[in-house]
Amino acid sequence: DGGITQSPKYLFRKEGQNVTLSCEQNLNHDAMYWYRQDPGQGLRLIYYSQIVNDFQKGDIAEGYSVSREKKESFPLTVTSAQKNPTAFYLCASSTGVGQPQHFGDGTRLSIL
Amino acid sequence: DAKTTQPPSMDCAEGRAANLPCNHSTISGNEYVYWYRQIHSQGPQYIIHGLKNNETNEMASLIITEDRKSSTLILPHATLRDTAVYYCIVRAPTDSWGKFQFGAGTQVVVTP
Repeated sequence: DGGITQSPKYLFRKEGQNVTLSCEQNLNHDAMYWYRQDPGQGLRLIYYSQIVNDFQKGDIAEGYSVSREKKESFPLTVTSAQKNPTAFYLCASSTGVGQPQHFGDGTRLSIL
Repeated sequence: DAKTTQPPSMDCAEGRAANLPCNHSTISGNEYVYWYRQIHSQGPQYIIHGLKNNETNEMASLIITEDRKSSTLILPHATLRDTAVYYCIVRAPTDSWGKFQFGAGTQVVVTP
């Protein structure tokens, strides 16, 4: 079945460490997105990518980095510069501008 | 600035129709109305979207007023599995990539 796979489902990080969240899609979508969700809040956009080897900052990119070396993959690195990384991270993809975004089931990141 | 206004919560009896309102009084002529829902600890799920005409699919119906300043998502026969947060989003195809602004949504609880 086509879809978006995020791994791991739960992730724990020690303070000062970088951690990378995986997002893979087999929908052949050009665009991919990373969102952050805090308890009781809506989604906030971190980064997005329209095409391979291109990505743009969203509303809260500080402390995060991404890469888009392959169409199907869009990993997110949470760096030690992100002061409040504990959150639910969601990856999405879409075929193009204005088209509905399809989401993975998220990764919950916690700081030890 | 928020483009949509939704009630924070609503209850619905199982088997009854659930009517979820959304106000978008500043909607532009080329902006679509999208609805997503998010079940606890999962990624958002696309439900339906429309421009000006009413839309229906296997999940729900979308009724958009003639002036397009408000809309209603209708779940025709609510089940317990429809308990979720429902998000109403307005977005134009020409908006910059990633500008799907998820607000706080409406928490819908379906009771037996």
